[in-house]
Amino acid sequence: GAVVSQHPSRVICKSGTSVKIECRSLDFQATTMFWYRQFPKKSLMLMATSNEGSKATYEQGVEKDKFLINHASLTLSTLTVTSAHPEDSSFYICSAPGVGKDTQYFGPGTRLTVL
Amino acid sequence: GNSVTQMEGPVTLSEEAFLTINCTYTATGYPSLFWYVQYPGEGLQLLLKATKADDKGSNKGFEATYRKETTSFHLEKGSVQVSDSAVYFCALKEGAQKLVFGQGTRLTINP
Repeated sequence: GAVVSQHPSRVICKSGTSVKIECRSLDFQATTMFWYRQFPKKSLMLMATSNEGSKATYEQGVEKDKFLINHASLTLSTLTVTSAHPEDSSFYICSAPGVGKDTQYFGPGTRLTVL
Repeated sequence: GNSVTQMEGPVTLSEEAFLTINCTYTATGYPSLFWYVQYPGEGLQLLLKATKADDKGSNKGFEATYRKETTSFHLEKGSVQVSDSAVYFCALKEGAQKLVFGQGTRLTINP
């Protein structure tokens, strides 16, 4: 079946640095991808919708200058956490819609720890 | 806005036990409802879905019925296996593609 990969799976960085997370659709094309953030014991929160060839659409309360999204091709979206701080530590998950109705394929997630 | 609430975890059961994971939702109208499962080290996978009231979704022995009267979509399985150990997410669809998730319930099945 269709697969979405994320890289890296885990990353530890120092406060003030920037971190890039990649989301790839491995055997299908995705004009849209979604980025979620998961806090401990809380639900996945949609951060933004990544659109190939145009700007991302951010959910209310998400800082677009801090969480930069680039949908570089039909198989790759990247999320860059700029000037990361400890409160940005979280689990980040991406997904891409499939062909069928209500079909979405999720990546395995990226654990970000900011020291 | 729309929201989904799941029972607090973690849930630990013995093999062959009966499973219920509660899920209730708040929404405008009657959105499609889903259960996703996340096995260790893997991405979320769709387990089952229901698109309208009284629909029953089923897959791999799991079932859930869309109850508009109680705004619920509880997940059940009659006899769980060790391989069912995973994190389960209840979700509703908002708009064309956006998903609103519950907080997830970690299930551990002991042999």
